[in-house]
Amino acid sequence: NAGVTQTPKFQVLKTGQSMTLQCAQDMNHEYMSWYRQDPGMGLRLIHYSVGAGITDQGEVPNGYNVSRSTTEDFPLRLLSAAPSQTSVYFCASSSLGGALEAFFGQGTRLTVV
Amino acid sequence: KQEVTQIPAALSVPEGENLVLNCSFTDSAIYNLQWFRQDPGKGLTSLLLIQSSQREQTSGRLNASLDKSSGRSTLYIAASQPGDSATYLCAGRGGATNKLIFGTGTLLAVQP
Repeated sequence: NAGVTQTPKFQVLKTGQSMTLQCAQDMNHEYMSWYRQDPGMGLRLIHYSVGAGITDQGEVPNGYNVSRSTTEDFPLRLLSAAPSQTSVYFCASSSLGGALEAFFGQGTRLTVV
Repeated sequence: KQEVTQIPAALSVPEGENLVLNCSFTDSAIYNLQWFRQDPGKGLTSLLLIQSSQREQTSGRLNASLDKSSGRSTLYIAASQPGDSATYLCAGRGGATNKLIFGTGTLLAVQP
């Protein structure tokens, strides 16, 4: 009954460091996406994918890379972390047919110092 | 471009009161609208999902409605309880893009 799993839950990075936020889902969903949540700005879409090998940019893609080699996994890479990337990151998945209900992970709280 | 707005940004009510949270969206070509609850420091829990062909959905004390023509959705909470205190988010999924666009949320406090 895992649903969407994100790791790590917390991370502190120094400016310029790189890291990968992991996201995995076990519901065989085609659609996966990454959001960042900042106070007063709600959740903003970073990148999304409609299936393995297919990714596209969302509203705030700069500074982030994604790839989708399997249906289950959708990692988010920060190439050179900046303080402006301090945020809470959420991964979500949904099917591409039927109700398209979105399911979210528990989030990763990232601080860049 | 779809924009989603939630009013009010914050709401405080006494326990037992019935209340309505509002969500408006600019693009009526919406595939569905989903209401979420978020507790402090936690993830998003899906409460209700309304398809574009539906007018409302109910789950326990919660009732969500959707009016595509006016670009509005409401979340009605009956007989509010302190445990209902949380941030409530609505999100609309575009019919063409499949993107889920969020409002900024309503922070609800139910006073015992």
